[in-house]
Amino acid sequence: NAGVMQNPRHLVRRRGQEARLRCSPVKGHSHVYWYRQLPEEGLKFMVYLQKENIIDESGMPKERFSAEFPKEGPSILRIQQVVRGDSAAYFCASSVNRGREETQYFGPGTRLLVL
Amino acid sequence: LAKTTQPISMDSYEGQEVNITCSHNNIATNDYITWYQQFPSQGPRFIIQGYKTKVTNEVASLFIPADRKSSTLSLPRVSLSDTAVYYCLVGERSGAGSYQLTFGKGTKLSVIP
Repeated sequence: NAGVMQNPRHLVRRRGQEARLRCSPVKGHSHVYWYRQLPEEGLKFMVYLQKENIIDESGMPKERFSAEFPKEGPSILRIQQVVRGDSAAYFCASSVNRGREETQYFGPGTRLLVL
Repeated sequence: LAKTTQPISMDSYEGQEVNITCSHNNIATNDYITWYQQFPSQGPRFIIQGYKTKVTNEVASLFIPADRKSSTLSLPRVSLSDTAVYYCLVGERSGAGSYQLTFGKGTKLSVIP
């Protein structure tokens, strides 16, 4: 009964390095969302993917950030040349699109700290 | 985006029923209302979702009046482990097809022994 899995749970990077965050959705879910949460804030939508397709990336910074959800394997959020402002908790959620309503199930998050 | 407003914090004693009300005055016809619970250092956990009237599951009840401009999450007989932040969200499917959830700051519920 595996839910959404994310790894690593904690990631420390120095400025300028790359961060790769992985998300394995609930088995059978084909939709993945990534959200970012700053301290004391609510989650903010970044990107929505279906298998092999980015559907909506309107919440993701245009530079340094990219996401993918390959046919096989987990979804990956990649942050290149990290800066201190990228320090946050990154959550992945998966769902089955039912049309009007949609229930998203969240993973435990990856806490990124940029030194 | 449909905005939600909910109290910043609430306190309750163990064993009491807690009602958290959320207002969403500009909710759209097709929007559903969803509540999540989040503990520190964890991801949000789905509690309940509804469109109108009343929805009940093993964890909570959700009351939605006819005008749908507000909703109330009801937690029966809370325990210390219910201390968490509770988010009220109104989902909105974007033109691109994504179902974006807009999280505010939520309601921080503190259950007191």
